[in-house]
Amino acid sequence: EAGVTQFPSHSVIEKGQTVTLRCDPISGHDNLYWYRRVMGKEIKFLLHFVKESKQDESGMPNNRFLAERTGGTYSTLKVQPAELEDSGVYFCASSQRGSGYTFGSGTRLTVV
Amino acid sequence: AQSVAQPEDQVNVAEGNPLTVKCTYSVSGNPYLFWYVQYPNRGLQFLLKYITGDNLVKGSYGFEAEFNKSQTSFHLKKPSALVSDSALYFCAVRDRNSGNTPLVFGKGTRLSVIA
Repeated sequence: EAGVTQFPSHSVIEKGQTVTLRCDPISGHDNLYWYRRVMGKEIKFLLHFVKESKQDESGMPNNRFLAERTGGTYSTLKVQPAELEDSGVYFCASSQRGSGYTFGSGTRLTVV
Repeated sequence: AQSVAQPEDQVNVAEGNPLTVKCTYSVSGNPYLFWYVQYPNRGLQFLLKYITGDNLVKGSYGFEAEFNKSQTSFHLKKPSALVSDSALYFCAVRDRNSGNTPLVFGKGTRLSVIA
């Protein structure tokens, strides 16, 4: 089976610009998670979808971040406008109930 | 609240020697515990997990970890390190009674195995 796919793998944008990250989970996985790791820090939870619904978005840093999962398939995470502190690696993971997480390769975002 | 501590930012070990990467956790109930590894330019890969049963868990690539409830620890070990084990290792926890809540990760430990 195909794994979790994230696009792009790298993105360099200027402060104030908009960036959209995409995650394609494993087909049939209802649960989709976004995480972020800022350099040298822990991997922090951002939000959790169950199908198309936001189950938990307590980790979203602020209202510059918007996540969607239309139709319960792929998900996008938009940062608008980007700030310097948004730089980091954004990971997506999917799971089916009772199974472990499968992570994507991550998107490395650099805001300059 | 759940939390994970990985006290070492970096662990250096000579090839062929045993390695240990430390992890302690805090949960209100009983834990599910995980280890993930990230190789350069790759995603997080699952290594092993403790759910219930035997406290010694064996995982991929010859790694194992021991769940110690009294010390709230889940240290990762391997009897003989390989250069190819050099990577970033993350410990994670979830409260068993918390439903489908997300994993909580530590900040990672960089393992460097020197030939």
